[in-house]
Amino acid sequence: GAVVSQHPSRVICKSGTSVKIECRSLDFQATTMFWYRQFPKQSLMLMATSNEGSKATYEQGVEKDKFLINHASLTLSTLTVTSAHPEDSSFYICSAFPDRTGGNTIYFGEGSWLTVV
Amino acid sequence: EDQVTQSPEALRLQEGESSSLNCSYTVSGLRGLFWYRQDPGKGPEFLFTLYSAGEEKEKERLKATLTKKESFLHITAPKPEDSATYLCAVQFYNQGGKLIFGQGTELSVKP
Repeated sequence: GAVVSQHPSRVICKSGTSVKIECRSLDFQATTMFWYRQFPKQSLMLMATSNEGSKATYEQGVEKDKFLINHASLTLSTLTVTSAHPEDSSFYICSAFPDRTGGNTIYFGEGSWLTVV
Repeated sequence: EDQVTQSPEALRLQEGESSSLNCSYTVSGLRGLFWYRQDPGKGPEFLFTLYSAGEEKEKERLKATLTKKESFLHITAPKPEDSATYLCAVQFYNQGGKLIFGQGTELSVKP
């Protein structure tokens, strides 16, 4: 079945540095991918919609200059957390749907734990 | 404002004790309602998508139903391995496929 892969699964970075998280669709093309963050015991909050070949669309309250999204190909989107601070520590999850399905089935990656120290 | 509300927040069942989880929504332009299972520290695992009132889908011990205002996830004779957080999410027309999630129901099934 369709698989969405994230890398790294866990990352620790120092405050003030930047960290990149990759999201790949392994066996399908995805023009659109989504990035969510999830705090402990809370649900998923949509951060942005990543569009291949164009700028990402950010949800209200999400700083686009802090959370840089690049969707350079039909199988890869990246999220870069710039100048990370401890409050950015969270579980980041991406999702995607096969273009051929039109959004009927949306798959999620395994998530990436970010800890900023 | 569009909202997705799940209840209960937590549910404890004995093995074999059937029950239902609720997801109510107040949205306009609903394209689909999705159910996911999430284990601790993992990404959500897709279960079902429902599109129209009256629709039902089943998978093993799980059955999802949809009305114009809410969806139910029925769990029949649950087993300990069904313990997880169950999330529902709604998808709108003309929104590019994004999902808006409820808060989830944490299900615990004791042997």
